Amino acid sequence: RKEVEQDPGPFNVPEGATVAFNCTYSNSASQSFFWYRQDCRKEPKLLMSVYSSGNEDGRFTAQLNRASQYISLLIRDSKLSDSATYLCVVNEEYGNKLVFGAGTILRVKS
Amino acid sequence: GAVVSQHPSWVICKSGTSVKIECRSLDFQATTMFWYRQFPKQSLMLMATSNEGSKATYEQGVEKDKFLINHASLTLSTLTVTSAHPEDSSFYICSAFRGSSYEQYFGPGTRLTVT
Repeated sequence: RKEVEQDPGPFNVPEGATVAFNCTYSNSASQSFFWYRQDCRKEPKLLMSVYSSGNEDGRFTAQLNRASQYISLLIRDSKLSDSATYLCVVNEEYGNKLVFGAGTILRVKS
Repeated sequence: GAVVSQHPSWVICKSGTSVKIECRSLDFQATTMFWYRQFPKQSLMLMATSNEGSKATYEQGVEKDKFLINHASLTLSTLTVTSAHPEDSSFYICSAFRGSSYEQYFGPGTRLTVT
């Protein structure tokens, strides 16, 4: 079983749509959770951290369910520029080691 | 904001040669840097943790004698791929933590092609 699992997609959505990505992680002792965005042939960039209370940043909302070991990302009013691969990332219990999911591809079309 | 640079951004080399990749933190000191590798359509895989002034910690399955890491200063870590083979062709990315934040800042990556 992979440590961090994501649906690879691709998710093909029209502009303005709302789209949700899910992620599960296997290490129940994981402490920190993130969503990163990676554009083609570029490095990952932090989109947002994920907290137990949930957090929102503009059109993006992230949720964490520790009991189910489940993380989600909701994107509202999708823009063409949102097209990218979204990486679910978990910080292991010890040290600063990040474990990356394989990513979910989003394609927003006009 | 924090900036991490890598050099070179891309390199093509012949099989059997060695390639050195540099990772620099430009506006902060990084006692720890990380080296990742990403194959097409796969996730980033941590190769090793580079510690300033001490030996790197390698992940299981990563050959330390093939991937030499040197972290000689608080702003520079280098990864040398020795005796490169075509299967080493990949996207190599470094990252660093700034201060006590859990956020890792990533370099722009180095695309290595071994012919």
